[in-house]
Amino acid sequence: SQQGEEDPQALSIQEGENATMNCSYKTSINNLQWYRQNSGRGLVHLILIRSNEREKHSGRLRVTLDTSKKSSSLLITASRAADTASYFCATDGQGAQKLVFGQGTRLTINP
Amino acid sequence: EPEVTQTPSHQVTQMGQEVILRCVPISNHLYFYWYRQILGQKVEFLVSFYNNEISEKSEIFDDQFSVERPDGSNFTLKIRSTKLEDSAMYFCASSYLTSATHVSYNEQFFGPGTRLTVL
Repeated sequence: SQQGEEDPQALSIQEGENATMNCSYKTSINNLQWYRQNSGRGLVHLILIRSNEREKHSGRLRVTLDTSKKSSSLLITASRAADTASYFCATDGQGAQKLVFGQGTRLTINP
Repeated sequence: EPEVTQTPSHQVTQMGQEVILRCVPISNHLYFYWYRQILGQKVEFLVSFYNNEISEKSEIFDDQFSVERPDGSNFTLKIRSTKLEDSAMYFCASSYLTSATHVSYNEQFFGPGTRLTVL
């Protein structure tokens, strides 16, 4: 399948530190997106990176994409308690618009 | 800022009953989707809808499920006879799919979800 898989499954850091989450996928993609989900809530779109892009920034977020390794990373700099959430990568490709999600990384920011 | 809305936020139903989950996608979006997330599991694709017809569906989306765009704004998911295993969070999403340099731009925006509990 095309699914993205994140690692680590859980990450706990101190406020102010940087958090890095990784995502791997198996097949060719058109886009890779990162979403945030607070416990029991909806999915908030963070950033989309296209298959022909290598890096993208949005505020404190930096996303990289390495299509040769079929992997992506999400870096959150200067983390805040409000960043505590689950983070998912989702891919689409092979002529389909549907998103295939990974299991997510549970990020905890300790004050 | 435009957003996807969903109603109700929580629906409790008895097994075998029909439920309709409602969504209002972002107004200028062309593609609509339903996903679900069983508690503690990953988000799973159910169906995509474009130009008033289903464009893709997953194995989960069997004959018990149907989707409809009854007017210019609403997008609904109907589960005809609910089962216990249908208990999940159901998310609606929409996107304005464009093409640029042969690469699709498929940014999907999700609603807050409807938590369906089947007893």
